[in-house]
Amino acid sequence: QKEVEQNSGPLSVPEGAIASLNCTYSDRGSQSFFWYRQYSGKSPELIMSIYSNGDKEDGRFTAQLNKASQYVSLLIRDSQPSDSATYLCAVNIGSGSARQLTFGSGTQLTVLP
Amino acid sequence: GAVVSQHPSRVICKSGTSVKIECRSLDFQATTMFWYRQFPKQSLMLMATSNEGSKATYEQGVEKDKFLINHASLTLSTLTVTSAHPEDSSFYICSAFYGTDTQYFGPGTRLTVL
Repeated sequence: QKEVEQNSGPLSVPEGAIASLNCTYSDRGSQSFFWYRQYSGKSPELIMSIYSNGDKEDGRFTAQLNKASQYVSLLIRDSQPSDSATYLCAVNIGSGSARQLTFGSGTQLTVLP
Repeated sequence: GAVVSQHPSRVICKSGTSVKIECRSLDFQATTMFWYRQFPKQSLMLMATSNEGSKATYEQGVEKDKFLINHASLTLSTLTVTSAHPEDSSFYICSAFYGTDTQYFGPGTRLTVL
């Protein structure tokens, strides 16, 4: 079982719709969770971090965390064509000098104008 | 967020030569930096963890003699691809921890080996 799993997609939504991206993780001890956006040919860009159960909103983005279910999601409201990218879920594992991010394989999102 | 820079952004070299890529944290000190490689349409692959003042920790399957990492200061880590071959052509990305657990990525270096 992979440590961080995402639906690879591709996921297509019409402009203005809500895009829902999902991620599950295997390490129950994980405490930090991140969503990165990666445009084609570019490096990942951090868009959200979440540490506590529940929702965290930042503009059109809402991250949701359920540690009991080991589930993280990202909702993008009022999706725009510029949101078309690959979205990477990442979970921090380890501690101290051994900490590192484990990434899911990414979900490719296309927002259709 | 924190800024991480990489240089060069693109490099083309002949097979058999060595290439050095620099990764800098511009406005913070980074005791730990990471080097990733990404082939087209594939996921990020962690190559190694670079700790300031100590030897890098390489992931399984990554040749430490081929990918030399030096983290000589709290703001600079370098990756040297020695005796590069066409199969080493890839997108190399570094990242650094800012604070306790948030990683920021550099813009990446696209290496093409002819």
